[in-house]
Amino acid sequence: NAGVTQTPKFRVLKTGQSMTLLCAQDMNHEYMYWYRQDPGMGLRLIHYSVGEGTTAKGEVPDGYNVSRLKKQNFLLGLESAAPSQTSVYFCASSYGGRRTDTQYFGPGTRLTVL
Amino acid sequence: TQLLEQSPQFLSIQEGENLTVYCNSSSVFSSLQWYRQEPGEGPVLLVTVVTGGEVKKLKRLTFQFGDARKDSSLHITAAQPGDTGLYLCAAPGDSNYQLIWGAGTKLIIKP
Repeated sequence: NAGVTQTPKFRVLKTGQSMTLLCAQDMNHEYMYWYRQDPGMGLRLIHYSVGEGTTAKGEVPDGYNVSRLKKQNFLLGLESAAPSQTSVYFCASSYGGRRTDTQYFGPGTRLTVL
Repeated sequence: TQLLEQSPQFLSIQEGENLTVYCNSSSVFSSLQWYRQEPGEGPVLLVTVVTGGEVKKLKRLTFQFGDARKDSSLHITAAQPGDTGLYLCAAPGDSNYQLIWGAGTKLIIKP
């Protein structure tokens, strides 16, 4: 049982380049989330999904797109990276959508945009 | 705007000492969670509190939810190096499915 996995672990991009971050979970969870974590700030929700084929905007969605074609995978895309998107990105999943439900996090992707 | 303020931001103490960290807000929350995050890893849930005044214990960790459900504390007794990490609190935001997060308390326990 791998839980939540993320690829890649590290990436360096130049301004304007694009990339996709992959999140996979093997717990059959319906809900999946993408967060970013910046120094001195709490985790901020970028986008989330309440089931296969669905996505919704979170607190800071601008500059990002997501897709959930399969229940176990949640992809985060950056179409034209900007230095402000330098951050650590975490994917999480939960069985239910109640905010008392446990969110299970992946190990994160550290992204630097030059 | 709902905010969760955690204090202190950073705490470094010797093994065996006791400590308390705080999570405060001006908003009332229906529940609150505490997570611990180790370097290079994602946060891991420690506890969820849902009732004002509730106290939960997890071995040497004691969590309390304020009577007015605006604040919470985490007390660690006889801290050990394995307690080192970033302690985050999280509570329901205004939008569905959304949690708001504090910036965390970075705790270092020196042997």
